[in-house]
Amino acid sequence: KAGVTQTPRYLIKTRGQQVTLSCSPISGHRSVSWYQQTPGQGLQFLFEYFSETQRNKGNFPGRFSGRQFSNSRSEMNVSTLELGDSALYLCASRGGLSGWNEQYFGPGTRLTVT
Amino acid sequence: DQQVKQNSPSLSVQEGRISILNCDYTNSMFDYFLWYKKYPAEGPTFLISISSIKDKNEDGRFTVFLNKSAKHLSLHIVPSQPGDSAVYFCAASEVGGTASKLTFGTGTRLQVTL
Repeated sequence: KAGVTQTPRYLIKTRGQQVTLSCSPISGHRSVSWYQQTPGQGLQFLFEYFSETQRNKGNFPGRFSGRQFSNSRSEMNVSTLELGDSALYLCASRGGLSGWNEQYFGPGTRLTVT
Repeated sequence: DQQVKQNSPSLSVQEGRISILNCDYTNSMFDYFLWYKKYPAEGPTFLISISSIKDKNEDGRFTVFLNKSAKHLSLHIVPSQPGDSAVYFCAASEVGGTASKLTFGTGTRLQVTL
């Protein structure tokens, strides 16, 4: 059974640009969450999507947005990039028979903003 | 405001000995706790969890203890093995909230030496 996949794995962008990251959950998982990991803050929850609807949102500015498609794949978008957006962005999926409360993370997308 | 705290950024333990990783939380609404392990360039991997109705949960070499009155949990690894060297994150989920919205600590880097 394939795990959570994220593309691209690495990305370099310039301040002011926008970026779109993609996440494919484990087959059968309908919940997809996004997290930002930075050295000083650890992992911080961005938002969760379930059945194409945003179900929860963390404390991030509106520049961070996401969506989920009917096949449960999800994308997150960051507009007007800032240097502080440099981070590892992790996607996680949950649900199915594997245990409701355990999330399974992808390897992440390393975003560098210059 | 860090609601989940891992006050030890790093820990070094000899192979075969016990590793004890600690985590404190401040939010009384947390009712489910998880530990994740993370290797470099990989996403966090679920390790073990505990519900607030329990005070102990075991899975092989891993045991999590929960002290609700002290708002403290710990992960014990016995015996420690070199492959356990990784960053360990403690995470918590709120009552009535979606289990996907986890609040993470900043992590403890465990090094198991030969």
